[in-house]
Amino acid sequence: GAGVSQSPRYKVAKRGQDVALRCDPISGHVSLFWYQQALGQGPEFLTYFQNEAQLDKSGLPSDRFFAERPEGSVSTLKIQRTQQEDSAVYLCASRKKTVGLGGELFFGEGSRLTVL
Amino acid sequence: QKEVEQDPGPLSVPEGAIVSLNCTYSNSAFQYFMWYRQYSRKGPELLMYTYSSGNKEDGRFTAQVDKSSKYISLFIRDSQPSDSATYLCAMHAPGKTSYDKVIFGPGTSLSVIP
Repeated sequence: GAGVSQSPRYKVAKRGQDVALRCDPISGHVSLFWYQQALGQGPEFLTYFQNEAQLDKSGLPSDRFFAERPEGSVSTLKIQRTQQEDSAVYLCASRKKTVGLGGELFFGEGSRLTVL
Repeated sequence: QKEVEQDPGPLSVPEGAIVSLNCTYSNSAFQYFMWYRQYSRKGPELLMYTYSSGNKEDGRFTAQVDKSSKYISLFIRDSQPSDSATYLCAMHAPGKTSYDKVIFGPGTSLSVIP
């Protein structure tokens, strides 16, 4: 597709449920980033991939959060045993260049997670 | 203390005003500086991308970087109602793997009143 696609756009989960959020980056983009954005806040870094390799996961809040990109394209962010504090917009971004070369991040519209 | 600080606003200005948005940062490793605009319920989109100190102009937008003071600014001239959005500063250090992640400020909410 022309842009970064995220699904679902909206997800309501009961506390304790597992959720999976999908990101389909721009074709050919090497780097993929996940961010968490709470209401009224800036995006907070969670993790990033270069192709299928997860190079940095220092921003993942707890071991309930897990991300993968097995074939170097589509990525999934999984949250196990969701808690109310996990309610946020989860943004995915892709970048054409590899690590070390910088470049523009292209964002999807986000997946808005509400945990009841 | 967060790595990147930004006045959250909200900032309300009349149409046609000059707007000044600012960020400070603490990590001297940052080399590339960006401004993103985010409309409500949308993903951020890149406005300006600059390297090191100095000015960069693009239409009504001017980005300024002062690395010695760890301070960056975005100026919007002749502001329009369509500029109403949240403005996010961001920065990274691509040459250093551990800093290639892009770090964002908390954002400033801007309203331009017709």
